[in-house]
Amino acid sequence: DQQVKQNSPSLSVQEGRISILNCDYTNSMFDYFLWYKKYPAEGPTFLISISSIKDKNEDGRFTVFLNKSAKHLSLHIVPSQPGDSAVYFCAARNAGKSTFGDGTTLTVKP
Amino acid sequence: EAGVAQSPRYKIIEKRQSVAFWCNPISGHATLYWYQQILGQGPKLLIQFQNNGVVDDSQLPKDRFSAERLKGVDSTLKIQPAKLEDSAVYLCASSPWGRDYYEQYFGPGTRLTVT
Repeated sequence: DQQVKQNSPSLSVQEGRISILNCDYTNSMFDYFLWYKKYPAEGPTFLISISSIKDKNEDGRFTVFLNKSAKHLSLHIVPSQPGDSAVYFCAARNAGKSTFGDGTTLTVKP
Repeated sequence: EAGVAQSPRYKIIEKRQSVAFWCNPISGHATLYWYQQILGQGPKLLIQFQNNGVVDDSQLPKDRFSAERLKGVDSTLKIQPAKLEDSAVYLCASSPWGRDYYEQYFGPGTRLTVT
């Protein structure tokens, strides 16, 4: 039973356009959600997070939206840049433990 | 600030052999995690330490995997004997202690290939 799902294995967008990465979860006990970015041969790095009591958090070009009723969150990157090309993991926390999705590979074309 | 260090970066062994991975977390980070990441999947938690005590090892295959964190600083993860399905990247992560700390800091990982 996969509690955190990223249904799109890959996404390709043009430089300057918006990238939208999606994540669905099943466990209503998750109280904190995070996005990590991973480049090849490196470990994941923290990008942005949101508490379950909020519905939006913004940091520069990155915005995370949370829809608790739908158990869905999304990461928006505007404008997208070639350097954003990476694998993006959604993670959800409950009782101090993080559960990760399988990732979405984002390719931003110049 | 130095990041999470892991060694070796790559390891190739034959099935039934033993292997050990080492992790040195960020200085002062009380919590240390070991994850297994199989190709095409997200990281899966194997074990979590708080200082030198185990917080969660429910997903650790204890018949072949073991981990320790002596003195609450660096940690080793061992597999004995290895199976083909253990081929994966083993990630170590650390975080400061406390309810307000949610993000984890990951090392570069050790890529294990079992032949």
